[in-house]
Amino acid sequence: EAQVTQNPRYLITVTGKKLTVTCSQNMNHEYMSWYRQDPGLGLRQIYYSMNVEVTDKGDVPEGYKVSRKEKRNFPLILESPSPNQTSLYFCASSWGIRTGELFFGEGSRLTVL
Amino acid sequence: KQEVTQIPAALSVPEGENLVLNCSFTDSAIYNLQWFRQDPGKGLTSLLLIQSSQREQTSGRLNASLDKSSGRSTLYIAASQPGDSATYLCAVRGGSGNTGKLIFGQGTTLQVKP
Repeated sequence: EAQVTQNPRYLITVTGKKLTVTCSQNMNHEYMSWYRQDPGLGLRQIYYSMNVEVTDKGDVPEGYKVSRKEKRNFPLILESPSPNQTSLYFCASSWGIRTGELFFGEGSRLTVL
Repeated sequence: KQEVTQIPAALSVPEGENLVLNCSFTDSAIYNLQWFRQDPGKGLTSLLLIQSSQREQTSGRLNASLDKSSGRSTLYIAASQPGDSATYLCAVRGGSGNTGKLIFGQGTTLQVKP
């Protein structure tokens, strides 16, 4: 089954404790990206990657890191999480930028205390 | 900077009605526009993708149109059902200086009453 898989789905952590949210897709997609969704602010793009070893900032990259060492994986790293990073996070992927339909993971709800 | 607006923010209709959701964007140099559905606490489900060269796409009771020159898209839902109740989001990809970015509207929350 074609899918985008995120882990963990739910996480409660404390300020400053490094964490990684994994994202994996099994569709051989070139494009992958991360979003956060907050009440009243909607969905905002954090980082995106157009191919292996190619990443770029979205609209809200501060406090986040990403890497794209393999085509199928695009982890989101919070080196020193803070309470303002409490949010619902989504990973998505598509064949390419110009023509591809975007597929989303189920989301990861992160709470930073 | 690309901005995407969805009107109305919320809509409540009786079952069986045909309805139109609106999405407007400020930069017409887009690659494509995609409509999604989101149920509370859930992920996004893709409904329709319209490429910049296309005028409309249809899937079942859904029809989406795109007018790039005016910066508008509409999602038409025919014969609405209570199961259509959800938040509908439009997102545009591309635009001047925004090769890889995807910009979302705030969404329209639809309630279809039995």
